[in-house]
Parts: sequence; C-alpha cells; structure tokens
Amino acid sequence: GAVVSQHPSRVICKSGTSVKIECRSLDFQATTMFWYRQFPKKSLMLMATSNEGSKATYEQGVEKDKFLINHASLTLSTLTVTSAHPEDSSFYICSARTSGRGAEQYFGPGTRLTVT
Amino acid sequence: AQKVTQAQTEISVVEKEDVTLDCVYETRDTTYYLFWYKQPPSGELVFLIRRNSFDEQNEISGRYSWNFQKSTSSFNFTITASQVVDSAVYFCALSEAVRFGNEKLTFGTGTRLTIIP
Repeated sequence: GAVVSQHPSRVICKSGTSVKIECRSLDFQATTMFWYRQFPKKSLMLMATSNEGSKATYEQGVEKDKFLINHASLTLSTLTVTSAHPEDSSFYICSARTSGRGAEQYFGPGTRLTVT
Repeated sequence: AQKVTQAQTEISVVEKEDVTLDCVYETRDTTYYLFWYKQPPSGELVFLIRRNSFDEQNEISGRYSWNFQKSTSSFNFTITASQVVDSAVYFCALSEAVRFGNEKLTFGTGTRLTIIP
C-alpha cells in the first residue's frame, strides 16, 4: 500500500513553454502533498506544501507564479512550471501523506525535467 | 531552524564490511521525527525508518540498525555485511511540526555509499 505515482517520469521541453507534472496517491487519500526539487548530487529542497482544497504554502525563495501548484482532490496534486528556462531543469519529487501528526510521507518516483 | 548534517559525503567499503552513516540534527522542537531514506540510481526515495523523539530505543531490521541518541542529537545508521545492492545515496531527515498535520521534512545533504564487490 501507500503508492504514489508521478507523471511524466521524464520530460524535455523548450525554453519558454510550460510543463505540468502530476502526483497521484493511488491507494490512500492524501490530505497533504509536498513538492521537492533536487539538483544533481544535491539534497531535496522543499518547494511547497499543498493541502487539498486550499492554496499551497511556498517556501522562501520559491516563485509562486512560476511554480503553480494545484491540489484539487485528495489523490491528485499538480505542479506546473510556467515559462520554463534551462535553470529549471531538475528532478522534481512529490510526496503525499494522510492526516495526523507524524503521518508517513510517501514519495513518488520523481520527474526529471530538462529544459532546452 | 531545523538542520540535518550528514558530514560524510561519500563512503566506499568493500562488500561484506560493516558501514555506519552519521546523522546529526538540530531542532528546537521537543517533539520531532527522524527518518532515513535510500535513493538508488533510479531516483525513487525508499523509506527505511521513522523514529519519534520520545523513543530512543535502538532498532534493528535485518542488516540495518539505527542508533538514536538525543544527548548527542545523532541518529546513525549502520549496515552490517554490506552488499552491492546497498549502493545508493542515503538521506537523513527531520520533520518539523509547523502545525498539526503539516510537518515538513528537512533533509540532510546525503551520503553516497558505494559497495565495492
């Protein structure tokens, strides 16, 4: 149980275009989803936290208008990278959790974005 | 502010040797959770363990064991009789209780473990 999927797993896009990444909890309801970014050989940096039905909370330094997050249902959150640039190329990982203090975060397999 | 330090950036050991990955954390919270994750080359994070701040008992799971010591703010991870499949990047993480139900994870910088056959 507790499977989280991400789609697509890899995407290559041209500079200036927008890319949408989906994160789905397959067998549980995720009240909270998190989006992380990981540069090569670096750690995971939290970008934002989203709760179903409400606006996402972004970490300091993350541009809200560039990284649009929507958590429209208890099983789906999307991250849209708008007007992507080469510096947005990274590995994006989502995680999902149920409610309750200390509830486990389950991670998706990640999406590798390359902007050319 | 929460902080997790993994001082060992890369470790290489020969297969069947034991290896310990260090993790030191900083937090002002009295209630927190500590985690270890494994990230193989495929990129997917694999959950290994979660420990809450009130449980200092060491834990063993097969070849894996964890030593949690609040006195030194450490949560070290030991792999005994290492195998090539253990080669991966290992992350230690700390959860911050921002508000109920919204704990955020702060990750260390990771330790790249290479098991040499």
